[in-house]
Amino acid sequence: DAKTTQPNSMESNEEEPVHLPCNHSTISGTDYIHWYRQLPSQGPEYVIHGLTSNVNNRMASLAIAEDRKSSTLILHRATLRDAAVYYCILRALITGNQFYFGTGTSLTVIP
Amino acid sequence: DADVTQTPRNRITKTGKRIMLECSQTKGHDRMYWYRQDPGLGLRLIYYSFDVKDINKGEISDGYSVSRQAQAKFSLSLESAIPNQTALYFCATSDPQGGDYGYTFGSGTRLTVV
Repeated sequence: DAKTTQPNSMESNEEEPVHLPCNHSTISGTDYIHWYRQLPSQGPEYVIHGLTSNVNNRMASLAIAEDRKSSTLILHRATLRDAAVYYCILRALITGNQFYFGTGTSLTVIP
Repeated sequence: DADVTQTPRNRITKTGKRIMLECSQTKGHDRMYWYRQDPGLGLRLIYYSFDVKDINKGEISDGYSVSRQAQAKFSLSLESAIPNQTALYFCATSDPQGGDYGYTFGSGTRLTVV
């Protein structure tokens, strides 16, 4: 399965933008890029996903490199409620939709 | 009510005991999954099921078994619990026909084996 590489931890000041990077150099043409986050004491929750084009939703934006070997999750204004572990995951359509999680990036938001 | 419900939320059991973790969902999804989370290791896939008659092993299935009793129910069993199975367990569902929004997770079951 395709692997992703993320920094173990990042910090951001409250109300500032946050850019969370993810490298996926072995991505295949049919792999979707998904981002999930896990708040303390909760199960992971969906944030955003994309294939080739940049994506925006109410929670975040996803910027995908032209060669698709990396992507960046952008939180436009970090709040204290955004403190969580963020997982970048590749979903391989061919192998049946299972997600394989890495260790993610633990985001700390500083008031 | 939650879309994906896991019971119990917390459980302490003794080494060698058999224990079952239950998961039920109201989303109508065919696909269900069991994950295990250990500190610093992210989530690892134990078993998954694409429909009632389908069961597949994940990354770390040794020591575990599952039962898909109905579309809405997927149970995880530890036949003889051991301390290194102490972890946080998550159930999840997905619907490949419903767009590409991936998984819905339950709130987790914290299992301690002493």
